[in-house]
Amino acid sequence: KAGVTQTPRYLIKTRGQQVTLSCSPISGHRSVSWYQQTPGQGLQFLFEYFSETQRNKGNFPGRFSGRQFSNSRSEMNVSTLELGDSALYLCASSKHSSGNTIYFGEGSWLTVV
Amino acid sequence: QQQVKQSPQSLIVQKGGISIINCAYENTAFDYFPWYQQFPGKGPALLIAIRPDVSEKKEGRFTISFNKSAKQFSLHIMDSQPGDSATYFCAASSKGETSGSRLTFGEGTQLTVNP
Repeated sequence: KAGVTQTPRYLIKTRGQQVTLSCSPISGHRSVSWYQQTPGQGLQFLFEYFSETQRNKGNFPGRFSGRQFSNSRSEMNVSTLELGDSALYLCASSKHSSGNTIYFGEGSWLTVV
Repeated sequence: QQQVKQSPQSLIVQKGGISIINCAYENTAFDYFPWYQQFPGKGPALLIAIRPDVSEKKEGRFTISFNKSAKQFSLHIMDSQPGDSATYFCAASSKGETSGSRLTFGEGTQLTVNP
């Protein structure tokens, strides 16, 4: 069974631009969550979506947003990019919103220049 | 109260030795404690997980020990191999509608197993 798929894997953006990252969860999984990973801050929770509704949100500014579609696929968007947004963005999926067993994708490497 | 503290930051072990990584948490609502293994350029992969109703869980060479009263849990890697060289993250989450699938991660431990 295919794992969590994230696209694109690598991208470079200029400060002030916006970016959209995509995630396809494991088949049958309805919960999708997003994490940011940086050397300084480690792995930090961004938000979680379940049945197209945001269920939980981490401590990130409003420039970070996301959505989930009816097929459980999800996108996250970062507007007005800052240098500090350079990070590995990880998508994770689980069967249920409180299912706990969470599987991660390979991530999207974002570099802001 | 949401923090998970992990130690050591880095660990060097000889092949065949035992690797031990420790984590401590504060939030007593946490009821699920997974460990993830991450290789460079890859996403974290679920290694093993435990719930607080058991004190130990073993899967192959990997064992989680859990001490509910001390709010601590640890990962033991027996017979460590060079292929185990990776970064290991402990994490915790709690059930419930508002907690969802939110994981709180430790800072990570970079394990190097020398041949």
